[in-house]
Amino acid sequence: DIVMTQSPNSLAVSLGERATINCQSSQSVLYSSNNKNYLAWYQQKPGQPPKLLIYWASTRESGVPDRFSGSGSGTDFTLTISSLQAEDVAVYYCQQYYNTPSTFGPGTKVDIK
Amino acid sequence: QVQLVESGGGVVQPGRSLRLSCAASGFTFSSYAMYWVRQAPGKGLEWVAVISYGGSNEYYADSVKGRFTISRDNSKNTLYLQMNSLRAEDTAVYYCARAWEQQLVRVPMQHWGQGALVTVSS
Repeated sequence: DIVMTQSPNSLAVSLGERATINCQSSQSVLYSSNNKNYLAWYQQKPGQPPKLLIYWASTRESGVPDRFSGSGSGTDFTLTISSLQAEDVAVYYCQQYYNTPSTFGPGTKVDIK
Repeated sequence: QVQLVESGGGVVQPGRSLRLSCAASGFTFSSYAMYWVRQAPGKGLEWVAVISYGGSNEYYADSVKGRFTISRDNSKNTLYLQMNSLRAEDTAVYYCARAWEQQLVRVPMQHWGQGALVTVSS
């Protein structure tokens, strides 16, 4: 199975500042036949189900604010919140869907400093 | 709008069985792969199983393989998870989720239900 790791485990950022979350896969999730990275990011707020933010590593889901962006390829990926808002307090998970079983990272908790 | 509503959760003794259901509406259920994902209390997300849109292909996490069975009834727009030989470590909120795109399995999960809590305890 592909193992997903995330760093940091948690971070606290001032309102309006940038938050950066890293995700690494134990093997490449770049599918050579279509040049797509099979990597998604989800946001989960307390008491709620996860919400899809980013897929194909860098495509924002419809309705997701443009302060959220994804980057990276192969095994190393980043989720960036360019200007943290109060409503962004949540746990963020990366997920690879390159292989079954699909696997999630352990999550990164984002708080306000 | 897309709605996914899980039911069937509850408290069950170790070794017993339980079946979860997920009622889907607001989309053509038979066109989408469906997933189960679980989350133990205070823990992260764990992918459990997926079933293809027609029901002919199923895949499982190693932790549940041989004990859990995912199935679907496209005539009833309902997804199921039959859980046998339950263990304490199966205690979690179980979410059903819909694939992002029709007919594909290896895609992200676009829509999620609110989840059903399963507690395995004597």
